[in-house]
Amino acid sequence: QQQVKQSPQSLIVQKGGISIINCAYENTAFDYFPWYQQFPGKGPALLIAIRPDVSEKKEGRFTISFNKSAKQFSLHIMDSQPGDSATYFCAASGIQGAQKLVFGQGTRLTINP
Amino acid sequence: DAGVTQSPTHLIKTRGQQVTLRCSPKSGHDTVSWYQQALGQGPQFIFQYYEEEERQRGNFPDRFSGHQFPNYSSELNVNALLLGDSALYLCASSWKLAGDLGETQYFGPGTRLLVL
Repeated sequence: QQQVKQSPQSLIVQKGGISIINCAYENTAFDYFPWYQQFPGKGPALLIAIRPDVSEKKEGRFTISFNKSAKQFSLHIMDSQPGDSATYFCAASGIQGAQKLVFGQGTRLTINP
Repeated sequence: DAGVTQSPTHLIKTRGQQVTLRCSPKSGHDTVSWYQQALGQGPQFIFQYYEEEERQRGNFPDRFSGHQFPNYSSELNVNALLLGDSALYLCASSWKLAGDLGETQYFGPGTRLLVL
């Protein structure tokens, strides 16, 4: 119940295309869903996050779509650029108590020039 | 404004040894969480410290222990190292009472631990 399942494991997209990464969760107590971007040798950096009271959140080229009934959420990267090549992690946590983050397995995104 | 800092950046130990990793949270943050990230995997929650106490713990053995100091900095200690403890250890900080922003955890660059 604590798992967050992420797909695909790896993704190759042409420059200018749309990158889509999906995540699913089971625990209905989760109510905060961030996405992190990680470059080799670096720690994860927060990209964008959403609460389940909205179905979509957009920041620049990055959009989270959230489907509460299906317990699924996804990251869309519009106009993908070579600099977006990194590993992306979805995560989930609950508001109450300690903010333990449960991470997905990660998606290695490669943007071909 | 300094972000989350961790030391050392890299560490090599042998099986059975003990290791201490250090973390300084982002300015204004009072909560420190530790995560273990094995190669090719997502980070796994170890434990979280707030007000110098362990508030929540993940599924890690007692060989993993920690401490938080009055200045909010934190240490992660691992005893009796095993080969499987080789990983990137990440520290994340947040602000417990920040309301809507409180969930945002900012990660440091990590300490790469290799156990031989």
